[in-house]
Amino acid sequence: EPEVTQTPSHQVTQMGQEVILRCVPISNHLYFYWYRQILGQKVEFLVSFYNNEISEKSEIFDDQFSVERPDGSNFTLKIRSTKLEDSAMYFCASSAGGLAGATYEQYFGPGTRLTVT
Amino acid sequence: QKEVEQNSGPLSVPEGAIASLNCTYSDRGSQSFFWYRQYSGKSPELIMSIYSNGDKEDGRFTAQLNKASQYVSLLIRDSQPSDSATYLCAVYHNAGKSTFGDGTTLTVKP
Repeated sequence: EPEVTQTPSHQVTQMGQEVILRCVPISNHLYFYWYRQILGQKVEFLVSFYNNEISEKSEIFDDQFSVERPDGSNFTLKIRSTKLEDSAMYFCASSAGGLAGATYEQYFGPGTRLTVT
Repeated sequence: QKEVEQNSGPLSVPEGAIASLNCTYSDRGSQSFFWYRQYSGKSPELIMSIYSNGDKEDGRFTAQLNKASQYVSLLIRDSQPSDSATYLCAVYHNAGKSTFGDGTTLTVKP
């Protein structure tokens, strides 16, 4: 069964450093998403991406964050200058989209635990 | 008011019982609704989606949607200890944004 994969599973970085989290969405999906979940808190939407551009973003997704689809398979989240409060689990998800017969059901990857020290 | 509100937990039911999980949402224009299960330390796993008013059944799970009341629910019949997890209600808005509730933690006692 196709699945979303994410690397690395755990990333430790120092405050102020740049990190790139990587995701490989399900191959025929058209919509890609990033979420984060701070320990013990709810899943929070960061950004959605369709047709090589951001379709929606939350207030959390400020200028420190960027997303990219550098090739036909990868989808990345970059945090330019990490802060302590960026420590969280980051989930990538993908969905087939709204085309005929497709749905917005989102399938999540296993997550990357980001620890900022 | 929270955009997506779930009944406060934790919820504990005996094995074999019906577990009932509830969710209300504020965006009246929302069209797609999802229930996810999340085990501790794991990612959300999609278990049900529902798009139109009424009931949708899949095995032991039944999702119910009432758009007029802005209410979504999930029933788990014949609850098993393996159903013990946090259940997340998610509402999909236009252009790709989803809002999740805080989750309800379910414990099924043998």
